[in-house]
Amino acid sequence: QSVLTQPPSASGTPGQRVTISCSGSRFNIGTNTVNWYQQLPGTAPKLLIYSDNQRPSGVPDRFSGSKSGTSASLSISGLQSEDEADFYCAAWDDSLNVWVFGGGTKVTVL
Amino acid sequence: EVQLVESGGGLVQPGRSLRLSCAASGFTFDDYAMHWVRQTPGKGLEWVSGLSWISGRIAYADSVKGRFTISRDNAKNSLYLQMNSLRTEDTALYYCVKDIGHLVKYGMDVWGQGTTVIVSS
Repeated sequence: QSVLTQPPSASGTPGQRVTISCSGSRFNIGTNTVNWYQQLPGTAPKLLIYSDNQRPSGVPDRFSGSKSGTSASLSISGLQSEDEADFYCAAWDDSLNVWVFGGGTKVTVL
Repeated sequence: EVQLVESGGGLVQPGRSLRLSCAASGFTFDDYAMHWVRQTPGKGLEWVSGLSWISGRIAYADSVKGRFTISRDNAKNSLYLQMNSLRTEDTALYYCVKDIGHLVKYGMDVWGQGTTVIVSS
C-alpha cells in the first residue's frame, strides 16, 4: 500500500489528453512539492516534472503538472505512442521523514 | 553528461551483507545530495536512503533503518550503501540517484541503470 495513491492504469488514443492523479496527505503533498517520473519499459525512471509543475530541460511541453491541496496531477496532451510508460509521483513526507512514491500508473496508447 | 554507474549487486544468503557502490561523473559531486532507490520486479519504487553532504542530513526508510548505511567519498565521487542483515524482501534492483539540489528534500533527478540484489538461500 503506497502512501501516495495513483490509479493503476490510464489510456488514450494518439492525440488525446490523459491526466493522472496522485493523492496524498497534509504531511506530503499538502506541505511539499511533487515530482513526477516516467519509466519506459526496461529503463530507469526519468524526472519528468519537479516542484509541482516545472519541466527539466528536454522534457516536451506536452507534459504538465499541477497541484491543489493534498492532490497533484500529471497531464499528457497530444498523446503519442512513445508515451507508453509507467508514471510515478513522489513527495517528501514530513511525518515519516522519508520520500514516498505513488504506486505508479501504466499509460497505454490505444 | 551526468553518469551514475552502480556495482556490487549479486546473490547473497539471508542474514549476510553486501556493499553497493555508485561511481558518479559529469557534475560537481559535492554540491548534490544523493539517494538510493529500489524497485522490486514488476512493482513500484521504494526510496531507501538519502544523504546530503552540505547539510549533513542522512535519512533512511523504516524498512532498512538499523541495517543499511549510506555513505559517500567526495574525493572519489562515489556513493555507497552498506547492507547488513539482508532479508529476502530486500531483493530488488537498486538505483543510485542524484538529487535535484543539495538537500535530501529536493528530490530525485538523474538515475543510474541499477544493480540487482537477490537475497535467497
